[in-house]
Amino acid sequence: DVKVTQSSRYLVKRTGEKVFLECVQDMDHENMFWYRQDPGLGLRLIYFSYDVKMKEKGDIPEGYSVSREKKERFSLILESASTNQTSMYLCASSSEDLGGSSYNEQFFGPGTRLTVL
Amino acid sequence: KQEVTQIPAALSVPEGENLVLNCSFTDSAIYNLQWFRQDPGKGLTSLLLIQSSQREQTSGRLNASLDKSSGRSTLYIAASQPGDSATYLCAVGTSYGKLTFGQGTILTVHP
Repeated sequence: DVKVTQSSRYLVKRTGEKVFLECVQDMDHENMFWYRQDPGLGLRLIYFSYDVKMKEKGDIPEGYSVSREKKERFSLILESASTNQTSMYLCASSSEDLGGSSYNEQFFGPGTRLTVL
Repeated sequence: KQEVTQIPAALSVPEGENLVLNCSFTDSAIYNLQWFRQDPGKGLTSLLLIQSSQREQTSGRLNASLDKSSGRSTLYIAASQPGDSATYLCAVGTSYGKLTFGQGTILTVHP
């Protein structure tokens, strides 16, 4: 089974702090994604990566950056946390293997509920 | 810009009923469509993935269909059970596996 893990289930930070959210997948997937989920707004893509050291902006990248130094790990960074970044953050991964039955099927981690005070 | 709409927003049914959840999307140039389940406060669990060349997929009591030309997908749940209570999300996939999500249908199955 694909496993996507996130470093924390719950996190409380103060305004202005630098925050790191870590995500690790164990299925050698090429693609990795960071979303945030808010009531009434649904899931929105922040950033994604299709290879090591490669990153692309999603729909709402402002205030965030990402790092992918190894294939299995994708980090989301809040450079200076603000209260409007209080949210549920979800990481996901998918395979680019055209021959695989799970081609581009996206698998999610358990989420990190971040509160910024 | 792709928009995904799910109807109904909420659904409450007695145990044992067969039910249909609907998903529509505005741009038919999709790579695939994926249905997820989300329990409160948890991550998403993949239920079914339909590639753009396929018309339907089945897993147990779940059946999902895809009509790309009309921009529609349905998720059929047979013989619903209280354990099926959750939020069901539809998402359409484009390049690099990026997904655009609908707002979800909150399903409650009461005994």
